[in-house]
Amino acid sequence: GESVGLHLPTLSVQEGDNSIINCAYSNSASDYFIWYKQESGKGPQFIIDIRSNMDKRQGQRVTVLLNKTVKHLSLQIAATQPGDSAVYFCAENPGGYQKVTFGTGTKLQVIP
Amino acid sequence: ETGVTQSPTHLIKTRGQQVTLRCSSQSGHNTVSWYQQALGQGPQFIFQYYREEENGRGNFPPRFSGLQFPNYSSELNVNALELDDSALYLCASSLEGASPLHFGNGTRLTVT
Repeated sequence: GESVGLHLPTLSVQEGDNSIINCAYSNSASDYFIWYKQESGKGPQFIIDIRSNMDKRQGQRVTVLLNKTVKHLSLQIAATQPGDSAVYFCAENPGGYQKVTFGTGTKLQVIP
Repeated sequence: ETGVTQSPTHLIKTRGQQVTLRCSSQSGHNTVSWYQQALGQGPQFIFQYYREEENGRGNFPPRFSGLQFPNYSSELNVNALELDDSALYLCASSLEGASPLHFGNGTRLTVT
């Protein structure tokens, strides 16, 4: 069945370094991908999205890369800050109504 | 711009009881989705409402039902509560089509 999986459950990064969070997806019909950040006690917060006709998209300090050949998605965070500490989810939407499928998440810990 | 608000924030119910959770969507958004998030897991899609009708459903039994009102607010109803229904219930609003979901901070339901 369709699934969104993450390679690492926990990622520890020194403050100021760049972070890379990886994600594999299995539904080749997915045409829209989203990264969310979830802080403790809060709902997921939209970070950045990318459509399947693109392979890279940049935001403020964040970049999402999409490799459709190997069904791989990554989130790069530049100059990681303590406020970036959270659980990050990649999510995919196979189109039509928005049955967005989430992975289990990667916890990012920023070391001061 | 008012974000997604959910009520109540916390709720304790007994097995077999019924519960209603409420959600006000972000202004301008006409689609509402509900997700269940177990501890340490990613959100799981329950269903989506558009124009007051359910237009997509995940792998949840019929005792999970919902409503969307003309002002786009929504309710999630769960009958015959089971212990495994204990989770964070998230509401998300969006515009129709592939667009980012905007989440509320959820309702934490505990079933004893």
